[in-house]
Amino acid sequence: AQKITQTQPGMFVQEKEAVTLDCTYDTSDPSYGLFWYKQPSSGEMIFLIYQGSYDQQNATEGRYSLNFQKARKSANLVISASQLGDSAMYFCAMSATSGTYKYIFGTGTRLKVLA
Amino acid sequence: ETGVTQTPRHLVMGMTNKKSLKCEQHLGHNAMYWYKQSAKKPLELMFVYNFKEQTENNSVPSRFSPECPNSSHLFLHLHTLQPEDSALYLCASSQSMDRNQPQHFGDGTRLSIL
Repeated sequence: AQKITQTQPGMFVQEKEAVTLDCTYDTSDPSYGLFWYKQPSSGEMIFLIYQGSYDQQNATEGRYSLNFQKARKSANLVISASQLGDSAMYFCAMSATSGTYKYIFGTGTRLKVLA
Repeated sequence: ETGVTQTPRHLVMGMTNKKSLKCEQHLGHNAMYWYKQSAKKPLELMFVYNFKEQTENNSVPSRFSPECPNSSHLFLHLHTLQPEDSALYLCASSQSMDRNQPQHFGDGTRLSIL
């Protein structure tokens, strides 16, 4: 069965520093996608970055990068040069389309950036 | 401004009421989704529509009834809800159901059942 695990319920980081949010996953599907979303207190889920299971290079989008280690089944999000506006909930998600459609989220990590 | 609009933002209803949640996407996407977000639980995918045809119903109780009249609009009709149905209901859309497609979410409707 597919599963996403985020073991850090809360994280603190000093402004301008980098932070890593952990995500591990479990799936038997050979082809899948991994996503990170940000959810501010307003409620909207904002797509940040995508990594395909067959991608050779780690994905990067501006200050966001995804540290993909396929053998370890981990897809950690790295935020560089943290800003106060980065304070939010962060969710890791996985999609697979073999058999029935699956889009599974983790329980999230609450990040607080300190001034 | 988000490309996915949900109304209302907040809804309080009694267990015997009937209400509907509305979602509209302005992104030209072909797939739409309803999710339930409860405190301290992962988002739960409820329904999936692709080209306005329902493709997934993840064991959702019949008191939740979705409707997708076209690829841009999605409704969730609510009837005889229970207190445990109080949650944030999120609508999302994506270009297709391919595994590499990110989903774009609305701001959600926060539902409280009295």
